[in-house]
Amino acid sequence: AQSVTQLGSHVSVSEGALVLLRCNYSSSVPPYLFWYVQYPNQGLQLLLKYTSAATLVKGINGFEAEFKKSETSFHLTKPSAHMSDAAEYFCAVQGGYNKLIFGAGTRLAVHP
Amino acid sequence: EPEVTQTPSHQVTQMGQEVILRCVPISNHLYFYWYRQILGQKVEFLVSFYNNEISEKSEIFDDQFSVERPDGSNFTLKIRSTKLEDSAMYFCASSVLGVRGGGEKLFFGSGTQLSVL
Repeated sequence: AQSVTQLGSHVSVSEGALVLLRCNYSSSVPPYLFWYVQYPNQGLQLLLKYTSAATLVKGINGFEAEFKKSETSFHLTKPSAHMSDAAEYFCAVQGGYNKLIFGAGTRLAVHP
Repeated sequence: EPEVTQTPSHQVTQMGQEVILRCVPISNHLYFYWYRQILGQKVEFLVSFYNNEISEKSEIFDDQFSVERPDGSNFTLKIRSTKLEDSAMYFCASSVLGVRGGGEKLFFGSGTQLSVL
């Protein structure tokens, strides 16, 4: 069965600091992996996805993630946090017919 | 960017009552989904729907749940007799295609918060 684990339910960074949100996956087949973001009172929005092309994936709003098979990881990073990045971030692996299997989410707080 | 629209944003119902959650997927999309998120827990897949049939459903999606595309634009989730544990945020999503393992982007609505009293 496929699954993802997000380490850290809450992450707090200063504005301008590096953002690192961790995600590890489990999959018996080469996975398709996603990061979604949820801003307050909004739906889930796709940040980026890995579909077995380049291992370093660039997404919207300056975020990127690197697929590391040896570590079964797909961590999300952003070099410099902005106040507007405060949101909940979900890592997901695809199973079945576009069925997404989500992690528990990481709430990112950005303080001045 | 086109949006998936969900109504209502909040719904309160009494235990045992039927509730229908409504969604308008993006117009050229062919695959539709419902997910839910119980407070403090993971977003969970409920069901996927294509060509007026359920493609896949989770073990959560029991006989109390049903989905329907009653016309060319709406996609609904019905809970026949609500339980307290059905209280959750319900997200509708749609995608252009549903290729198995195709890595396709899902577009999510902003959710309906269902509270069962």
